[in-house]
Amino acid sequence: KNQVEQSPQSLIILEGKNCTLQCNYTVSPFSNLRWYKQDTGRGPVSLTIMTFSENTKSNGRYTATLDADTKQSSLHITASQLSDSASYICVVSDRGSTLGRLYFGRGTQLTVWP
Amino acid sequence: EADIYQTPRYLVIGTGKKITLECSQTMGHDKMYWYQQDPGMELHLIHYSYGVNSTEKGDLSSESTVSRIRTEHFPLTLESARPSHTSQYLCASSNGTSDAYNEQFFGPGTRLTVL
Repeated sequence: KNQVEQSPQSLIILEGKNCTLQCNYTVSPFSNLRWYKQDTGRGPVSLTIMTFSENTKSNGRYTATLDADTKQSSLHITASQLSDSASYICVVSDRGSTLGRLYFGRGTQLTVWP
Repeated sequence: EADIYQTPRYLVIGTGKKITLECSQTMGHDKMYWYQQDPGMELHLIHYSYGVNSTEKGDLSSESTVSRIRTEHFPLTLESARPSHTSQYLCASSNGTSDAYNEQFFGPGTRLTVL
């Protein structure tokens, strides 16, 4: 069964600190992995995308890593800001359909305190 | 910011009412999707469309229906709302031209509460 598991479920950090969010997946055949940021009451917005051959991808203070062998990904946030408070969702796409099927994790709820 | 819009943003209605959630995109995308999301849970695909006059049911069974008469418009209708329909509904679209980079752009969502 194709699944995406994220940890931790929630995380509280102080402003300026770094943090790392984890994602494990069993989706096969694998196409790509995205990290989305979802603010409360809003739709998800894509932060990074990585395909099978990519190990790391950065977008400002966000750095995603991918280990396709172990089927693990992480999202590292440096120098956190209050605006980073949101849910971060790991989304994996399979290669087996023209629809571009997406498998969603439940997200990590990050709260940044001043 | 993606050019995909949803109205209303919030809706509180009584049981038995018929409602239509609107979704429109100005990016000319062929593929459109409806997801349902409960707090703290993953998004579940309830409907999708490959293009005009094409609609399919998603993974999560839903009593809602959709239509795709125009490329840019993908409304979702509930004929008789019930409290179990209370949820957040997210619309998305993609151009689907590349399997490896099939990014879906999401609207802001509609928060539906059925009393």
